[in-house]
Amino acid sequence: DTGVSQDPRHKITKRGQNVTFRCDPISEHNRLYWYRQTLGQGPEFLTYFQNEAQLEKSRLLSDRFSAERPKGSFSTLEIQRTEQGDSAMYLCASSPLGTDTQYFGPGTRLTVL
Amino acid sequence: GEDVEQSLFLSVREGDSSVINCTYTDSSSTYLYWYKQEPGAGLQLLTYIFSNMDMKQDQRLTVLLNKKDKHLSLRIADTQTGDSAIYFCAENTDSWGKLQFGAGTQVVVTP
Repeated sequence: DTGVSQDPRHKITKRGQNVTFRCDPISEHNRLYWYRQTLGQGPEFLTYFQNEAQLEKSRLLSDRFSAERPKGSFSTLEIQRTEQGDSAMYLCASSPLGTDTQYFGPGTRLTVL
Repeated sequence: GEDVEQSLFLSVREGDSSVINCTYTDSSSTYLYWYKQEPGAGLQLLTYIFSNMDMKQDQRLTVLLNKKDKHLSLRIADTQTGDSAIYFCAENTDSWGKLQFGAGTQVVVTP
């Protein structure tokens, strides 16, 4: 296992469409995080899973956003009715239980036209 | 405003040392991190320091932590062109490891 992977790497969509991103964490990492990064800014926390349980959600995660980690392995992040303000890089990170060190994937760059 | 603050830009000549500074506000943070991001890529973990340490050295990287002033710095010795990137400082802000990032410092290495 070489690291956290994310798919797709790039997504262009029209306003109002739904999009779904996938994250595969490092094998046996219990913790999984989603962050959003806009141009010129650092990543901002969106949500966190420990195994399959979603334990925390940021207020940035509006009701149009939903994240799942059904079997405690990969995770999906869905955005419904996309808006131009959703254009950003969506980053996934994972860490093993017992440490706080997070390893990031390459990100999915979303462009909403 | 930002809980973690960094200067936005640093220009350094190849072979010189770079020093990137960061201030944070959450005194309960247990770990502080430095990440590197190259254009179009995700974040690469460079190094981290536990809050009860003052210094950590890892090859060309030296991290200094002044907990009293909530000041963190990253020194890169013998800076190379491959070190050109954006560097992010981050602190963990809760027991689940949620990270709070600064806006990043863009480092440009000139020949």
